[in-house]
Amino acid sequence: DTAVSQTPKYLVTQMGNDKSIKCEQNLGHDTMYWYKQDSKKFLKIMFSYNNKELIINETVPNRFSPKSPDKAHLNLHINSLELGDSAVYFCASSQDHRVTGTSSTDTQYFGPGTRLTVL
Amino acid sequence: QKEVEQNSGPLSVPEGAIASLNCTYSDRGSQSFFWYRQYSGKSPELIMFIYSNGDKEDGRFTAQLNKASQYVSLLIRDSQPSDSATYLCAVNRSGGSYIPTFGRGTSLIVHP
Repeated sequence: DTAVSQTPKYLVTQMGNDKSIKCEQNLGHDTMYWYKQDSKKFLKIMFSYNNKELIINETVPNRFSPKSPDKAHLNLHINSLELGDSAVYFCASSQDHRVTGTSSTDTQYFGPGTRLTVL
Repeated sequence: QKEVEQNSGPLSVPEGAIASLNCTYSDRGSQSFFWYRQYSGKSPELIMFIYSNGDKEDGRFTAQLNKASQYVSLLIRDSQPSDSATYLCAVNRSGGSYIPTFGRGTSLIVHP
């Protein structure tokens, strides 16, 4: 059983389009995240949600809008796609959003990634 | 801007050797540090975290932290070809929530 799943795995679209990526976790975790990894493999946190509430928004353009309908799901909607949005987007989850010093709570589990290509 | 620096490599070591991966960070208030392994085309996987100065060992992996020098390292003993991957250092900002800043990663190649 996949712990953190994302759909779609690949997304190819034209500039200016709107697209969504979905994420689901079956680990019973309270916190979910979106990360962006660019072509140079630089991984950057975008958002985190704890129990459906936004915790972190890392100065991401407001074309990106996350939505958490329940704590097991965190979707990412992107409006007016730009060439620079091309990247791999990873969803992740952890038991809690706070660092506690124990592996059970501080381990993040990543989804397989969605490779977005904007033409 | 809080920064995390890693040598991009590739670091090439023979099978059975010790691989040493290094990371420096700029935020002196950082309290928690993580090492992730990422195979090509796959997602990152947490392999170690360390919060206190000194060494932390887990199997063939040892993380070392020196907060005074703002330096964290990962040693892999008895390196295997299956260890060939990119290793990402992540430094959490001061405060209790998980808000990591990642380095660009070091590519490790273990050759038979």
